[in-house]
Amino acid sequence: SQQGEEDPQALSIQEGENATMNCSYKTSINNLQWYRQNSGRGLVHLILIRSNEREKHSGRLRVTLDTSKKSSSLLITASRAADTASYFCATDAGQAGTALIFGKGTTLSVSS
Amino acid sequence: DTAVSQTPKYLVTQMGNDKSIKCEQNLGHDTMYWYKQDSKKFLKIMFSYNNKELIINETVPNRFSPKSPDKAHLNLHINSLELGDSAVYFCASSQAQGRGGYTFGSGTRLTVV
Repeated sequence: SQQGEEDPQALSIQEGENATMNCSYKTSINNLQWYRQNSGRGLVHLILIRSNEREKHSGRLRVTLDTSKKSSSLLITASRAADTASYFCATDAGQAGTALIFGKGTTLSVSS
Repeated sequence: DTAVSQTPKYLVTQMGNDKSIKCEQNLGHDTMYWYKQDSKKFLKIMFSYNNKELIINETVPNRFSPKSPDKAHLNLHINSLELGDSAVYFCASSQAQGRGGYTFGSGTRLTVV
């Protein structure tokens, strides 16, 4: 079953602007992860935030998690053309016999 | 060195054929996965193995059969291919379930004609 839903489905911005993507999920989680997928490539792990964390940073990435609202956001600051990709959130229930469940993704286009 | 490698990268085949996709990881991870990504980029888990033992077997047709000869390899065999099997198949690995991120292969684009 699909767990994460990203919003918006598509986002177009100019270089230097910030990009914010949101993810909502349905059931309890152990952690939530964000991945990037460039066109025609595999997914690359960006950041993991645990259920007891509220915010995490990695370079130009900032992720927040609100477990009461079952939502997360990914902020990319000072975007670059190279950030153009699809971004997916994925939830991990942390239970035996489960795997990451991915949302539908947000397609980000950054133009120079 | 490629951490998770899949072969082939592209596979074009006729309906009814049988084909295999191979996956190998050199990360020492215990758990490996197969995901299917459809034309709308939706990723769906198919199978997962932990140290050669099948732990996830989602609702996929019996024509799909995973095989893990050792914990570094997870292959996917598909019998009697159908048009609807056309998709990109991704192999991934992780250190253990519920810990850390997954490392994905670059995908195998399967086209059934």
